[in-house]
This record gives sequence, structure tokens and C-alpha cells, in this order.
Amino acid sequence: AQSVTQLDSHVSVSEGTPVLLRCNYSSSYSPSLFWYVQHPNKGLQLLLKYTSAATLVKGINGFEAEFKKSETSFHLTKPSAHMSDAAEYFCVVSTRFSGGYNKLIFGAGTRLAVHP
Amino acid sequence: KAGVTQTPRYLIKTRGQQVTLSCSPISGHRSVSWYQQTPGQGLQFLFEYFSETQRNKGNFPGRFSGRQFSNSRSEMNVSTLELGDSALYLCASSPGQGVMNTEAFFGQGTRLTVV
Repeated sequence: AQSVTQLDSHVSVSEGTPVLLRCNYSSSYSPSLFWYVQHPNKGLQLLLKYTSAATLVKGINGFEAEFKKSETSFHLTKPSAHMSDAAEYFCVVSTRFSGGYNKLIFGAGTRLAVHP
Repeated sequence: KAGVTQTPRYLIKTRGQQVTLSCSPISGHRSVSWYQQTPGQGLQFLFEYFSETQRNKGNFPGRFSGRQFSNSRSEMNVSTLELGDSALYLCASSPGQGVMNTEAFFGQGTRLTVV
């Protein structure tokens, strides 16, 4: 069965310092992986996605993630945090059901706080 | 291209009432999924519709139901509302069947408060 685990429920960083949000997945085949961001009372916005092309994926707003099959990880990073990055981040794996369609499995989320 | 549109954005209902939420997917998308988001339970999958058929359902009571119309617009209905149904309800659209590496596009959500 496919699953995704976000290792930290809360992460706090200072503005200008690096961001690391950790995600591990479980999948019986080569997965598609996504990171979404949600600002308060808003919907989810796609940051980036991995679909078995390059293992280092660049997304919007300076975020990137590296797919590591040996570690079953897909951690999200950003070299320098900005106050506007404060939000909740979701790691998502796409899983295939019989009948050929796919379903998204969401992690529990990591709330990122950025301090001046 | 217009994004996913959910209406209304905010709703206040009384226990025991019923409510209908609406979602218009991105033009050309045939799959619509619904999620409930609460502080305690996080994001929980409600159901997914594709070409007017429900093809997947989460672990919610029968009070939660939905449908999809021929133009791919979807509605979800919650009957006999309970206080615990207070949540942000999110709708997501995607192109549809068999496209595993395609992300879902989310609407802004409907904030339902049950009093």
C-alpha cells in the first residue's frame, strides 16, 4: 500500500536561513510525488512534482525537492526562508487503483513558521 | 484558464440542517475530488467523481454524498449536520483517468461552520 509520512508537524526557522521539510513515502512501484503549500484559509497550491524524470525537482518560489529512491524520501528545501513562506506544506504521493485511475495520498502536513 | 471555483466561500448552518456545496472544475477536467480539512484530522478524502460516476469513496458516513453533472461540475451534500462537520471543504480537479503523474488543482474551499 502507498503511504506518505511527514516527519515534522512543526518547523520553525529564522528569515534568511535554510528550510528543510522532510517526507518519506512508501510505494510498491515508482511513484509520482508532489509538494503542496496552503496558506491560512486558502486552497492548496502545487509547489513542485516528481514524475520519474530528473531526481532534483525545482518548483516555484525557490523551493526544490530531491527524490531519493534508496531512502524513500522526497524532502523539500529552500536556501533562504522568507516571511511569506510561513504556511502549511503537504507531501503527496499518487497511487494507482485498479481500473487505471490514480488517487492522491496526503501526508499530515508540516506547519512552517518563519521568524524575523 | 479559470481555476477551480467553489461556492459559497463561507457558510453557517444549524445542527440538523443540510447543506450543498458546489465545485466547478477547470475546463476540460473530468475528475473532481472532495476533501474535508479539520485541525484535528487534517485532510481527509471524501469521494471522487469521474464522468458523473463515483469511483472512490473515503470513510465517511452516509450523510455525506455527492454527484457530478455532465459538464463535470460537482456538488456535495451533507444532511443532518453535526457540530463536528465544521470544516474547510476542498474540491480538486484533474484531467481524469489514467494520468498518474498529473497533479490535482484545488479550489479555495468552502468554510462550513455548524452551530
